[in-house]
Amino acid sequence: EAQVTQNPRYLITVTGKKLTVTCSQNMNHEYMSWYRQDPGLGLRQIYYSMNVEVTDKGDVPEGYKVSRKEKRNFPLILESPSPNQTSLYFCASSHYQETQYFGPGTRLLVL
Amino acid sequence: EDQVTQSPEALRLQEGESSSLNCSYTVSGLRGLFWYRQDPGKGPEFLFTLYSAGEEKEKERLKATLTKKESFLHITAPKPEDSATYLCAVQEGKAAGNKLTFGGGTRVLVKP
Repeated sequence: EAQVTQNPRYLITVTGKKLTVTCSQNMNHEYMSWYRQDPGLGLRQIYYSMNVEVTDKGDVPEGYKVSRKEKRNFPLILESPSPNQTSLYFCASSHYQETQYFGPGTRLLVL
Repeated sequence: EDQVTQSPEALRLQEGESSSLNCSYTVSGLRGLFWYRQDPGKGPEFLFTLYSAGEEKEKERLKATLTKKESFLHITAPKPEDSATYLCAVQEGKAAGNKLTFGGGTRVLVKP
């Protein structure tokens, strides 16, 4: 089944404790992206990757890092999480300029 | 800067009561307008892509239309299972990073 998977689905952590949210897709998509969704602000792009080893900032990149060492994986790294990063995170993938397909989401709470 | 505004924010319908959702957008050079459905706690699920004014697409009880300034999602004779948040997003032709700019969504509740 074609899909985008994310892990973990739920995560509670404390301020400053490094964490990684994984994202994987099995559709051989070149493009992958991370979004966060907050009430009243909608979905906003954090980082994106056009292909392996090619990443760039989206609209809200502060406090996040990404890497793209393999085509299928695009982890999101929070090196020192803060409470304002409490959010619902979505990974998406697509062929370039085609429809983006979203993962199931990761709900993060930073205390 | 690309802007997308959806209205209404919330919509309560009786089963069978048809209605329309609006998505107004400002973009310099539209490459595509996308509609997604999102259920609580889940990821957006793709519904339609529209590329040019006058285009229409249908899927079951949903029909999406596009003009140069807005798109409508028509829900005909809705059922309770159509309850969800409907998201509209635009992609600019020259957008860096394939970026989608989303509206705030319309929460639809269909009561039996």
